[in-house]
Amino acid sequence: EVQLLESGGGLVHPGESLRLSCAASGFTFKNYGLSWVRQAPGKGLEWVSAITSSGSTYYADSVRGRFTVSRDNSKNTIYLQMTSLRAEDTAIYYCAQRGIARVPTALTWWGQGTLVTVSS
Amino acid sequence: EIALTQSPGVLSLSPGERATLSCRASQSVDTNSLIWYQQKPGQAPRLLIYGASTRATGIPDRFSGSGSGTDYTLTITRLEPEDFAVYYCQQRDTFGQGTRLEIK
Repeated sequence: EVQLLESGGGLVHPGESLRLSCAASGFTFKNYGLSWVRQAPGKGLEWVSAITSSGSTYYADSVRGRFTVSRDNSKNTIYLQMTSLRAEDTAIYYCAQRGIARVPTALTWWGQGTLVTVSS
Repeated sequence: EIALTQSPGVLSLSPGERATLSCRASQSVDTNSLIWYQQKPGQAPRLLIYGASTRATGIPDRFSGSGSGTDYTLTITRLEPEDFAVYYCQQRDTFGQGTRLEIK
């Protein structure tokens, strides 16, 4: 069974940094890309970042230059390093598996999310 | 950047009825990249449809997707109580704003 477990969320002040982790199990981690998607309280879904199986990375314009996605295949984990955090970054952050080869942006499995709150 | 507009914003129906949800793109998109998700309160989204019309693993056949170009539709025949949720369409790195399907 595929499982994705996010951690690292919390309350931070504007301008501070935070690193999220997403630990994966139940599939051959190195063969799959993963994405980060966030959801502000009471709002819709916003794609944040993606990392492919080969390590290529992609970012939404709203986070490019502030967030960095990486992966450690030895730990079956991806990370999202977030710097210069803003109030508008407040959201639940989900990691999700890019599980369909012919539709790489389709997110087949999702974690339960971790809440990031940016407030003074 | 392509924008996705979902309509209606809220759809009120009764169990057993048919639901038709729309997703319109600001320009023509690759049909293969059109995706639908379901999200229930307090839960992560769940993949329903990819490639505009292919049901994901385990998704009941009362869910179907169709469309091409700029106009896509998610249809749910014979609504079950567990189908009342928010539905999102996605194309590459863009999500629609969602349609909330509520019990009438």
